[in-house]
Amino acid sequence: QQQVKQSPQSLIVQKGGIPIINCAYENTAFDYFPWYQQFPGKGPALLIAIRPDVSEKKEGRFTISFNKSAKQFSLHIMDSQPGDSATYFCAATDSWGKLQFGAGTQVVVTP
Amino acid sequence: KAGVTQTPRYLIKTRGQQVTLSCSPISGHRSVSWYQQTPGQGLQFLFEYFSETQRNKGNFPGRFSGRQFSNSRSEMNVSTLELGDSALYLCASSLAYRGLWFFGPGTRLTVL
Repeated sequence: QQQVKQSPQSLIVQKGGIPIINCAYENTAFDYFPWYQQFPGKGPALLIAIRPDVSEKKEGRFTISFNKSAKQFSLHIMDSQPGDSATYFCAATDSWGKLQFGAGTQVVVTP
Repeated sequence: KAGVTQTPRYLIKTRGQQVTLSCSPISGHRSVSWYQQTPGQGLQFLFEYFSETQRNKGNFPGRFSGRQFSNSRSEMNVSTLELGDSALYLCASSLAYRGLWFFGPGTRLTVL
């Protein structure tokens, strides 16, 4: 079963909007939470990652919020651009270093 | 530094054949893992190697196997191909198994 649940499956925003992608997990052994961006025909590219002892992390226009007690984390894309249109995957790494991926969210940013 | 490279990028095979995919990790990375990506199942973990030893294995049949060489390069093999094996096969590398994982462009396998 999917150990990391991701929603929504897809979303459409206008340029400048803030797409928000949410993920939830159950396994408290997860200790690292990366996000990946994937364009069609390409491999996933590491975007940003966070550890559970940090509540927020920003890199450029991408922000991760992390709620350890709720076992939830989310990705915000600030001032989104058409070039941000891609599929985004949240993931979690367990103590063995194995990545568990969410199902993915297809983001479309319209001009 | 060059990224993770995978060869070949595209492959077409017929049912019953076998295939070998190759992955060269980022220089200095000692861990390599493999994933299968399909529209229906998403990204599924196949196996992971560190210093030539398989550390983890996903829930795939024994037809799927892999290995890692002393230079950290890795190969995965699929024997007796089935139509359902058509997928994008992704290789990722990490400095060590607890680090960040960086993915290659994948090998698109089509089984006819």
